[in-house]
Amino acid sequence: NAGVMQNPRHLVRRRGQEARLRCSPMKGHSHVYWYRQLPEEGLKFMVYLQKENIIDESGMPKERFSAEFPKEGPSILRIQQVVRGDSAAYFCASSHFRDSLYNEQFFGPGTRLTVL
Amino acid sequence: QQQVKQSPQSLIVQKGGISIINCAYENTAFDYFPWYQQFPGKGPALLIAIRPDVSEKKEGRFTISFNKSAKQFSLHIMDSQPGDSATYFCAATTETGANNLFFGTGTRLTVIP
Repeated sequence: NAGVMQNPRHLVRRRGQEARLRCSPMKGHSHVYWYRQLPEEGLKFMVYLQKENIIDESGMPKERFSAEFPKEGPSILRIQQVVRGDSAAYFCASSHFRDSLYNEQFFGPGTRLTVL
Repeated sequence: QQQVKQSPQSLIVQKGGISIINCAYENTAFDYFPWYQQFPGKGPALLIAIRPDVSEKKEGRFTISFNKSAKQFSLHIMDSQPGDSATYFCAATTETGANNLFFGTGTRLTVIP
């Protein structure tokens, strides 16, 4: 049973370009979370999605960032017109359907974005 | 603002010693407190978690101590091993909410032989 998959693992972009980060949740998981980790800091929540729905985007920057989780295919975190401050590790986590109070989030290996 | 505060930032422990990492939170709505272990180049992995209805939870060499009145919780690693060298994050969330995790800033643990 494959874990959470993220690609690419490393992404280099120049300022002003677009970055697309993909996340394939674990098999059977319908909930996806995106977190950002700046150097020497903890992970910070960005967005929580279920299939075709954004449930909570309270951690997303208001501009340039968007996320989707279509009915078919991986979840996508899209960053338009990247700036140097976007350089970070972006982690995706997935969890099972909410049949209990807390469902463990399983994290992917992350995508390390570097903006030149 | 940082909803979960974690200390120390780094920790060096001799093999066989006890590693202790502390966290504090402000939001009394938090009711689930997991600890994550992260190795370089990897994503965080759940290590152990506690709910506030108990004051301690032990799994093998790992123990969480929880003080609800002080809004503090800590991770103790007994008989620390070089393989435990990693970054440890405490986190908190509300079970009835979206379950998004609020992480501490991490503790880099080095266990020396």
